Amino acid sequence: AQSVTQPDIHITVSEGASLELRCNYSYGATPYLFWYVQSPGQGLQLLLKYFSGDTLVQGIKGFEAEFKRSQSSFNLRKPSVHWSDAAEYFCAVAGTTSGTYKYIFGTGTRLKVLA
Amino acid sequence: GAGVSQSPRYKVAKRGQDVALRCDPISGHVSLFWYQQALGQGPEFLTYFQNEAQLDKSGLPSDRFFAERPEGSVSTLKIQRTQQEDSAVYLCASSLVGGASGSYNEQFFGPGTRLTVL
Repeated sequence: AQSVTQPDIHITVSEGASLELRCNYSYGATPYLFWYVQSPGQGLQLLLKYFSGDTLVQGIKGFEAEFKRSQSSFNLRKPSVHWSDAAEYFCAVAGTTSGTYKYIFGTGTRLKVLA
Repeated sequence: GAGVSQSPRYKVAKRGQDVALRCDPISGHVSLFWYQQALGQGPEFLTYFQNEAQLDKSGLPSDRFFAERPEGSVSTLKIQRTQQEDSAVYLCASSLVGGASGSYNEQFFGPGTRLTVL
């Protein structure tokens, strides 16, 4: 069965520090992978996506993610975190079951940024 | 910009009441999805429409949940006899096409409707 695991429920970093959020997926074929950010009371905003090609994907707000097939991972990184990055981050895989291309989300990682 | 819109943004219902949540997808988007996001969880798939056809309702948690998209654009998610466990944010998403064709499967999400059942 398809699944997404985000091992870290909460992460706290200092402003200006680097960040890595972990995501592991389970999917039988080549996955379509996404990272979304959700601020309190807001909808989901797409940070970046991976469909094929270069395994290092650049996104908005200075985020990047690397697809590693051998590790079934798609970790999100940012070299220098800003206070405005505090939010909840969701990794998702788009997979087909019964012909429906649905998204399967992880449980999210809540990021806290210390001034 | 013409993104996905949802209404109401917040809904408070007494246990046992019926509620209707509306989704206006991006114009021209064929596919429409509903997700349920419980507190502290990631969104979970409820149902999928391709135009007016409901092709997958495998995620609907009970027969109290019903969704429709009669003209292939606006969709309504209805919950009958609401229970406290129905409290969640209900997200709607649309995509240009369905199927398995690469980038066209990107889903665009609305802001959600937060349902609180007392």
